[in-house]
Amino acid sequence: EAEVAQSPRYKITEKSQAVAFWCDPISGHATLYWYRQILGQGPELLVQFQDESVVDDSQLPKDRFSAERLKGVDSTLKIQPAELGDSAMYLCASSRPGGPKQETQYFGPGTRLLVL
Amino acid sequence: SQQGEEDPQALSIQEGENATMNCSYKTSINNLQWYRQNSGRGLVHLILIRSNEREKHSGRLRVTLDTSKKSSSLLITASRAADTASYFCATVSSSNTGKLIFGQGTTLQVKP
Repeated sequence: EAEVAQSPRYKITEKSQAVAFWCDPISGHATLYWYRQILGQGPELLVQFQDESVVDDSQLPKDRFSAERLKGVDSTLKIQPAELGDSAMYLCASSRPGGPKQETQYFGPGTRLLVL
Repeated sequence: SQQGEEDPQALSIQEGENATMNCSYKTSINNLQWYRQNSGRGLVHLILIRSNEREKHSGRLRVTLDTSKKSSSLLITASRAADTASYFCATVSSSNTGKLIFGQGTTLQVKP
């Protein structure tokens, strides 16, 4: 069964350093999402892509966060500089609009970030 | 920002018992979904119910939706130790961008 891939699974960094996360969605899924999940809370959308275009980045802290999906396939989320409050799980998900399960999102295993 | 709240925040039951979790939301929705998350892992989609549906079943899962009260419930029947996880409801707004807005989640512990 196809899965969403994410790497790394764990990342420890010091504040003010740069970090990057990678996501490879399920093949054929045009929509890709990045969520941030703080411990004890539900995930919150950071950015949504439709192919290579950003559909929603209203909750992305653009002064330090950036996201790209250059060829409309895999995606990278970057934080520079990292702050203590960025410690969280970063989840990637993908979906296939237009299909019978167009609203179902398939999540990757996540990247757990700890900023010291 | 979170869409709404889930109740209870934590639930502990014995294996074989039923577990009921409730979710409330604030805005008009296209559909509501339930996801499961095992500790430290990604989310797994359980079931989707559309705004024009009132009840849906999938295996041991039963979901209801009351749009007049802006609420939903998830019932897990004959629970198993493997059902131990956090359960989240998430809504897709009527604007249908596909964006999921999650609740805070219910942590379920099923004791063997």
